[in-house]
Amino acid sequence: QSVLTQPPSVSGAPGQRITISCTGSSSNIGAGYDVHWYQQVPGTAPKLLIYSNTYRPSGVPDRFSGSKSGTSASLAISGLQAEDEGDYYCQSYDNSLTTLYVFGPGTKVTVL
Amino acid sequence: QVQLVESGGGVVQPGGSLRLSCAASGFTFGTSGMHWVRQAAGSGLEWVAFERYDGGSDYYADSVKGRFTISRDTSRRMLYLQMNSLRAEDTAVYYCAKDLGYGGNPIPFDYWGQGALVTVSS
Repeated sequence: QSVLTQPPSVSGAPGQRITISCTGSSSNIGAGYDVHWYQQVPGTAPKLLIYSNTYRPSGVPDRFSGSKSGTSASLAISGLQAEDEGDYYCQSYDNSLTTLYVFGPGTKVTVL
Repeated sequence: QVQLVESGGGVVQPGGSLRLSCAASGFTFGTSGMHWVRQAAGSGLEWVAFERYDGGSDYYADSVKGRFTISRDTSRRMLYLQMNSLRAEDTAVYYCAKDLGYGGNPIPFDYWGQGALVTVSS
């Protein structure tokens, strides 16, 4: 059971905007630790999508954006495309645990 | 371009050992922190181990502490994960991943290998 909570699935039609939440607590996101987002297309390795809450690595389309407030973070995908289908994971740190990193359980994005 | 290529996966009996390797290219390996992350079939991501860029510090998930050892050979640009006393619950795809080196607290992973499948079964 992860200390970060994500919705199991989110869907949207092509062109729509969807958001994926990552909810934590005062020992992780709420404590000021940064949130990163990864995209995993089926059968492939995860790819860094957003780091440090809001920053996009080079090559990531600006359709992807991140935000953080309080004990939660969100990933938004605007202009949804078929190639955006896959699993999305948030990542952070929790100071009540001994592990260096925690991942959310993942959200499956389906393009209708 | 950055490449991380894992090898060494396979089928092993419970209690057995296996060593995974990760060949790195396209970046300065000697100044990069490196990780192992695993993913059981149909499940999410689990961070396993981290080694600092100079090999000076290692960190492990509680689930593998005392059984797994991360190491590197900087001259050969290789990262390793020695896995002993393997259990059925260690069955997963194991990814090596490169530390971005900056980008917040914690530091994110900017490149991942394609993964190596480890199956622990009798």
